[in-house]
Amino acid sequence: DQQVKQNSPSLSVQEGRISILNCDYTNSMFDYFLWYKKYPAEGPTFLISISSIKDKNEDGRFTVFLNKSAKHLSLHIVPSQPGDSAVYFCAAKGGANNLFFGTGTRLTVIP
Amino acid sequence: DTGVSQNPRHKITKRGQNVTFRCDPISEHNRLYWYRQTLGQGPEFLTYFQNEAQLEKSRLLSDRFSAERPKGSFSTLEIQRTEQGDSAMYLCASSLDWQPQHFGDGTRLSIL
Repeated sequence: DQQVKQNSPSLSVQEGRISILNCDYTNSMFDYFLWYKKYPAEGPTFLISISSIKDKNEDGRFTVFLNKSAKHLSLHIVPSQPGDSAVYFCAAKGGANNLFFGTGTRLTVIP
Repeated sequence: DTGVSQNPRHKITKRGQNVTFRCDPISEHNRLYWYRQTLGQGPEFLTYFQNEAQLEKSRLLSDRFSAERPKGSFSTLEIQRTEQGDSAMYLCASSLDWQPQHFGDGTRLSIL
């Protein structure tokens, strides 16, 4: 039972353009959402988060949008850089602070 | 801040053997989590400690799995009588209270 879904396994974007990664969830009790970036042979690295009381959070080139009615969030990266190439995981926090992860989207930024 | 440290990075063992992994969290973090990740999937929650108390266990954590966090510092995850299906990356994370979790680089377990 996948409570967090990332339906795009991969995404390719030209350097300098916007990257948009999408995530959907099914559990309306989730109250906090996070994005992690993962390079090969490394653990996930925290990128940005958003509380369910907000609809947008921005940190430099990264912005996360939350649409609670649609149970959808997205991560925007602009401008995209080759170093952003990685697998991006969306995660939602359950009641005990354990995280439910999506299956990831592999982003490739083409120079 | 030296980050979350996990040892060993790789473990290869025969089916039926016992294995133990260690996680050293970020020193000031009071919460510690174990996750398992298989190919093509995101990390799946296994168990969670607040200080030395194990507060939650996933249904994925069968009775062959045991985790400890003595004195609320490092943690160990033991798998007894390993099976082929235990092959995975085992990730440890830590956090200070409700703040975002920081992950180690994981221990990759391969069962022959």
